[in-house]
Amino acid sequence: KAGVTQTPRYLIKTRGQQVTLSCSPISGHRSVSWYQQTPGQGLQFLFEYFSETQRNKGNFPGRFSGRQFSNSRSEMNVSTLELGDSALYLCASSLELAGVGTGELFFGEGSRLTVL
Amino acid sequence: AQKITQTQPGMFVQEKEAVTLDCTYDTSDPSYGLFWYKQPSSGEMIFLIYQGSYDQQNATEGRYSLNFQKARKSANLVISASQLGDSAMYFCAMRETKGAQKLVFGQGTRLTINP
Repeated sequence: KAGVTQTPRYLIKTRGQQVTLSCSPISGHRSVSWYQQTPGQGLQFLFEYFSETQRNKGNFPGRFSGRQFSNSRSEMNVSTLELGDSALYLCASSLELAGVGTGELFFGEGSRLTVL
Repeated sequence: AQKITQTQPGMFVQEKEAVTLDCTYDTSDPSYGLFWYKQPSSGEMIFLIYQGSYDQQNATEGRYSLNFQKARKSANLVISASQLGDSAMYFCAMRETKGAQKLVFGQGTRLTINP
């Protein structure tokens, strides 16, 4: 069973550009969430999608957006990149929305973004 | 607001010894879940163990066990018989039921196992 797949794994952008990151969840998982990891702020929740609908959003500016497709694959976009957006972006998928069982989140290996 | 506190930035342990990683949490929701994840240098977050707030017994998964003390709001991870491959960052995280899949993470503990 394939795990969560994130592409690209590494990318370098310059300030002002935009970037799109992709996440393919585990087959059958309908919930996808995104996290940003930086040395200073640690792991922070960005947003969560379930059945193509955004269910939760973290405290990030509107430059950060995402979407989920009918096959549960998700993309996140960051526009007008800033130096502080350099981070590891992690995607997680889960079978349930909440409740029953552990609802554990399975993470991908992340996309490491460097903004110059 | 939810908060997870990991007070040990780094720990050094001799191989084959047991190690306890500390985690305390704060929430006003009576229903919540507590997680521990391992993050090796590759970056992937590896799920280790889960404890629900209503679970009566401490969770165990192989060499990992979670020492859940609800009244003290602590959820320490215990790794028995540590191995060199256990060297990694370890994160404690909490999910409130109403928060769906939103996890709040602690700052992490870097565990180094010495041969």
